[in-house]
Amino acid sequence: EPEVTQTPSHQVTQMGQEVILRCVPISNHLYFYWYRQILGQKVEFLVSFYNNEISEKSEIFDDQFSVERPDGSNFTLKIRSTKLEDSAMYFCASSERGFTGNTIYFGEGSWLTVV
Amino acid sequence: GNSVTQMEGPVTLSEEAFLTINCTYTATGYPSLFWYVQYPGEGLQLLLKATKADDKGSNKGFEATYRKETTSFHLEKGSVQVSDSAVYFCALSDPGGYNKLIFGAGTRLAVHP
Repeated sequence: EPEVTQTPSHQVTQMGQEVILRCVPISNHLYFYWYRQILGQKVEFLVSFYNNEISEKSEIFDDQFSVERPDGSNFTLKIRSTKLEDSAMYFCASSERGFTGNTIYFGEGSWLTVV
Repeated sequence: GNSVTQMEGPVTLSEEAFLTINCTYTATGYPSLFWYVQYPGEGLQLLLKATKADDKGSNKGFEATYRKETTSFHLEKGSVQVSDSAVYFCALSDPGGYNKLIFGAGTRLAVHP
């Protein structure tokens, strides 16, 4: 079964450093997402991306965050200058369509620890 | 705003017991509703979904019915197994957004032999 893959599975970084989390969405999907889950808290929406541009973003997704689809297969989340509170599990996801109810498939997550 | 409320866990059951995890939602418009499951050390997997009122989603013995009148989408299973131990997330697809999911807090289920 096709799946969303994410790398790295775990990264430890110093506060203030830049981090890039990578994702390969399911190949025929057109809509891409990042979510995050701080330990013990809810899974929260960060951003959705379609046709090479952001379609929606949350209040969390401030100027420190950016997303990119650098080629036909990868989708990346960059955190420019990490803070302690960015420590979380980051989930990449994709869906074939963007309408309400279309199934969103998640990767296994990238656990980011900022020290 | 749109939101999802789940019963707090952990829920601890013996094998073959009946499971109910309550989920209620608040939304404008007509959201789609989902249950996702997260097994230990793994990502989020779709368990089932329902896209309109009175729809019943079902998978792997789990089922949930979209109840518009009570704004609920409770998850049930008639006989749980140890392998069902996981965290279960109720979610809605924001009808005003680009298929954005809004999640509940998650309910941890522990099933003992």
